[in-house]
Amino acid sequence: EPEVTQTPSHQVTQMGQEVILRCVPISNHLYFYWYRQILGQKVEFLVSFYNNEISEKSEIFDDQFSVERPDGSNFTLKIRSTKLEDSAMYFCASRWGHEQYFGPGTRLTVT
Amino acid sequence: AQSVAQPEDQVNVAEGNPLTVKCTYSVSGNPYLFWYVQYPNRGLQFLLKYITGDNLVKGSYGFEAEFNKSQTSFHLKKPSALVSDSALYFCAANDYKLSFGAGTTVTVRA
Repeated sequence: EPEVTQTPSHQVTQMGQEVILRCVPISNHLYFYWYRQILGQKVEFLVSFYNNEISEKSEIFDDQFSVERPDGSNFTLKIRSTKLEDSAMYFCASRWGHEQYFGPGTRLTVT
Repeated sequence: AQSVAQPEDQVNVAEGNPLTVKCTYSVSGNPYLFWYVQYPNRGLQFLLKYITGDNLVKGSYGFEAEFNKSQTSFHLKKPSALVSDSALYFCAANDYKLSFGAGTTVTVRA
């Protein structure tokens, strides 16, 4: 069964550094998402992406964040200058019909 | 604006007993409602959805959920819980941009 994959599973970075989180959505899906879950808190929507552009973004998704689909398979989330409060689990998802399929997540730790 | 509430942080049941995880929603328009389960160090796994049609929705692993429009609820149920059902359960609304509840930790004791 096809699934969404994410790399790396865990990323540790220093405050102020740039990080790129990678996702490979399910191949025939057209809508892609990033969500995050700060430890102990609810899962929050960050951004949705369709037809090679952002379709919606939350207030969390400020100028420090960007998304890209550099080729036909990868979907990336870049954080330009990480802050301590960016530490969270980041989930990628792709959608078919009404269902979103989630990857296993990348745990980002900013020190 | 839409929101989802899960009033219980934790639910504890004995194996073999019925399991209910509560969810209420507030959405504009027709609600699209979902249940996801998260096992430790794993991603969110889809359980079931309500889009339209029958109010009782059947999903994976023997779970079902009942959509109640008058009470704006979408409670998750399982008639006979298993120890392996112990996990974190999330209710969510909408499909273009999921809004999640805070999650309910289910513990099923042997």
